[in-house]
Amino acid sequence: DTAVSQTPKYLVTQMGNDKSIKCEQNLGHDTMYWYKQDSKKFLKIMFSYNNKELIINETVPNRFSPKSPDKAHLNLHINSLELGDSAVYFCASSPEITANYGYTFGSGTRLTVV
Amino acid sequence: GNSVTQMEGPVTLSEEAFLTINCTYTATGYPSLFWYVQYPGEGLQLLLKATKADDKGSNKGFEATYRKETTSFHLEKGSVQVSDSAVYFCALSDNSSASKIIFGSGTRLSIRP
Repeated sequence: DTAVSQTPKYLVTQMGNDKSIKCEQNLGHDTMYWYKQDSKKFLKIMFSYNNKELIINETVPNRFSPKSPDKAHLNLHINSLELGDSAVYFCASSPEITANYGYTFGSGTRLTVV
Repeated sequence: GNSVTQMEGPVTLSEEAFLTINCTYTATGYPSLFWYVQYPGEGLQLLLKATKADDKGSNKGFEATYRKETTSFHLEKGSVQVSDSAVYFCALSDNSSASKIIFGSGTRLSIRP
């Protein structure tokens, strides 16, 4: 059983399209995150939800909108995709609102905008 | 603000060599420190962690000691294997109420047979 699963694994789309990435965790964790990893492997946090409540919202274009229907799911919707959105997007979860225990990561969604 | 600096890669070693990947941090208070490993095409996996000064984290032959006096958390392994080839990330969590993990830029490690 995969602990943190993301779909799709690969996503190739044209500029201007709207797309969604889904994430689910079966660990019973309270907190979920979205990170973006660029081509140089640099990881930057985008959003965090704790029990369906948005708690971290970094400086991210408002074309990116997260949604958490329940504490086991966190989705990311991206409007009007741009070339610069090409990256690997990772979902992660942690047991509680502090990140002291570390995260469990999903395997990533590689988004390519052409 | 909080930040993590780790040695730039790539690091290339022969099998059974000794490994050190340097990591230093800047943080207020007492962060928790982590090493994560990312194998090709996969997500990050927690390798080891330490939550207070002088703690040593260890896993799979890797070790790192939380040194508050030098604000460091260097990763070491006595004898590396080809299967250790991956990207290694040093990271910290700032222990605030709604904390997040801040990652270093990653160090790519390649082990030659």
